[in-house]
Amino acid sequence: EPEVTQTPSHQVTQMGQEVILRCVPISNHLYFYWYRQILGQKVEFLVSFYNNEISEKSEIFDDQFSVERPDGSNFTLKIRSTKLEDSAMYFCASRDRGLGNQPQHFGDGTRLSIL
Amino acid sequence: QKEVEQDPGPLSVPEGAIVSLNCTYSNSAFQYFMWYRQYSRKGPELLMYTYSSGNKEDGRFTAQVDKSSKYISLFIRDSQPSDSATYLCAMSVQSASKIIFGSGTRLSIRP
Repeated sequence: EPEVTQTPSHQVTQMGQEVILRCVPISNHLYFYWYRQILGQKVEFLVSFYNNEISEKSEIFDDQFSVERPDGSNFTLKIRSTKLEDSAMYFCASRDRGLGNQPQHFGDGTRLSIL
Repeated sequence: QKEVEQDPGPLSVPEGAIVSLNCTYSNSAFQYFMWYRQYSRKGPELLMYTYSSGNKEDGRFTAQVDKSSKYISLFIRDSQPSDSATYLCAMSVQSASKIIFGSGTRLSIRP
């Protein structure tokens, strides 16, 4: 069964450094998402991306964050200057193109640790 | 009032028992309702996906949505130790829009 793949599985970065989290969505999916889960808390929406532009973003997704689909297969989340509170699991999700009832499918996440 | 509320548990039941998991929500605009299962250090895995009110059955799993009460449920029949995980209720206004998750219920099935 097709799946969303994320790399790396664990990223350790010094505070203030830039980090890029990578995702390969399910082939032929057209809607892409990033969510995060701080340890012990809910999964929270960050941003959705469709047709090469951001379609929706949360308050969390400030100017430090950016997303990009650099080619036909990858979807990336960049945090420009990481803060301690950015430590979390980051999940990528993708959804099929259909106009009907299509769910979002999640990857296994990247654990981001900011030191 | 929280947008989605879910009892965090933990819930521990013996193998073979029927499990009932529930969520309430406040936003009447939600139309799509999901249950995800999450194992430790893994991503949410879709179990059930329903639109509007009603019941949906898939094997040992049954999802119920009551929009009039703003209440959704997941039933697991003949529970197995492999069902031990955190169960997340989730919902969205439109199929492609952001998902709002509950806090998750940690379930343990005792052999």
